Amino acid sequence: QKEVEQDPGPLSVPEGAIVSLNCTYSNSAFQYFMWYRQYSRKGPELLMYTYSSGNKEDGRFTAQVDKSSKYISLFIRDSQPSDSATYLCAPSFQKLVFGTGTRLLVSP
Amino acid sequence: DTGVSQNPRHKITKRGQNVTFRCDPISEHNRLYWYRQTLGQGPEFLTYFQNEAQLEKSRLLSDRFSAERPKGSFSTLEIQRTEQGDSAMYLCASSYGTGGTYSNQPQHFGDGTRLSIL
Repeated sequence: QKEVEQDPGPLSVPEGAIVSLNCTYSNSAFQYFMWYRQYSRKGPELLMYTYSSGNKEDGRFTAQVDKSSKYISLFIRDSQPSDSATYLCAPSFQKLVFGTGTRLLVSP
Repeated sequence: DTGVSQNPRHKITKRGQNVTFRCDPISEHNRLYWYRQTLGQGPEFLTYFQNEAQLEKSRLLSDRFSAERPKGSFSTLEIQRTEQGDSAMYLCASSYGTGGTYSNQPQHFGDGTRLSIL
C-alpha cells in the first residue's frame, strides 16, 4: 500500500463548478499537509500549506485535513479553465511524500 | 524573489554517458532538495541539504548518483553511466528552516530538468 493514495483522474468539470480533490494517507506521523498545482512541463507550485487538522481558506481554494480519518481535501470554488492542471497532495513529517496527482480539466 | 532556477531544462543523452544538472535555490533558503518525477507519478524524494551538508539520501539514489552543494548556495546532481530507467524529470526545491525537523517549511520548486536517455 502506498503511503499516500490519490485518484489520478482525469476529473472533468464545467467552468464555475465546485471541485473536490482528495487524498488518503497511512502514516499517522504526518503533521504538515501541502497541496501543489502542476501544469504540463512545469514544476509543482505551492497552493496551500496547513498544519494538523482543520480548514484553511485562500481565495477560491479551501484545504481541509481530518487526521482522525487520515483524509485530506482541496476544494476549488468557481473553477476556471486556467485551473486545469494536475493537483498533488503532499503530507509530510520528515520529508514530503507526494500522491500520484489528480488531473483536473475545466471546460469553458 | 526570483524563484528556484534549474538548468538545463532538457537534456538528451546516450545510455552510458554522464550528465550533470544545476539548481539555484531562492537566495535566502538554506535547505535544498532533489526529487525525481516520472510520467503519471508524483515527485519522489532523492536527497536533501541544509546549507552545504547533505543530511539525507533516499534508497532511490544509487551509487551512480551524486549531489553536491559546495558553498551552501547552488547544487549539482550528477548521474554517471546513465541507464534507460534514469529518464525522468529531476526537480529541485528549496525552503528556509531551522532546527532538526526540515518538513515544517513549505518547499518551492523549480521547473525541473527533463532527462531523456536514447
